[in-house]
Amino acid sequence: DAGVIQSPRHEVTEMGQEVTLRCKPISGHNSLFWYRQTMMRGLELLIYFNNNVPIDDSGMPEDRFSAKMPNASFSTLKIQPSEPRDSAVYFCASSLRRGQETQYFGPGTRLLVL
Amino acid sequence: AQSVTQLGSHVSVSEGALVLLRCNYSSSVPPYLFWYVQYPNQGLQLLLKYTSAATLVKGINGFEAEFKKSETSFHLTKPSAHMSDAAEYFCAVSPGTASKLTFGTGTRLQVTL
Repeated sequence: DAGVIQSPRHEVTEMGQEVTLRCKPISGHNSLFWYRQTMMRGLELLIYFNNNVPIDDSGMPEDRFSAKMPNASFSTLKIQPSEPRDSAVYFCASSLRRGQETQYFGPGTRLLVL
Repeated sequence: AQSVTQLGSHVSVSEGALVLLRCNYSSSVPPYLFWYVQYPNQGLQLLLKYTSAATLVKGINGFEAEFKKSETSFHLTKPSAHMSDAAEYFCAVSPGTASKLTFGTGTRLQVTL
């Protein structure tokens, strides 16, 4: 299995620009999670989906952040407009919903907003 | 609500020495508990998990953890550290049937010669 795939791996952008991060979960997994990791705040859950439906978005920092999961094999996290404080590593993870709680993480997208 | 506390943001051990990384949890329901490892510039990888079966859980790379309900702890151990164990380790808790994980702040393990 290819594992969770994220793109791009690195993104450098300027303040005010739109940023779109992409994730392909492991085939057959029906829970998908977006996390943000920073030195100051550690690993934070932003949002998670079950069967393509957002279940908990309480971790989304503000309206500038949005996430979608149009189908079982693709999700996006969008930041518009981006700010320097959004600089972080963003991870996507997926898991089987029932009977197995292990989350499998992608390699992350390192975002730098100048 | 669930939470985990990892005592010690940095731990340094000599190669061949015992590794002990501490994790205490708080959960209003019987928890699932996890240890993940993160190597530099990589995502997190599952080391082991407790899901209410045996209280002593064995994981990959020689790591194990013991669930102690009376102490609300789930400490991670390895009898003999190897240089390749240098990484950041995260303890996490999940409220049973739900999928949401709450992670601790992480412990960076350094292994010296």
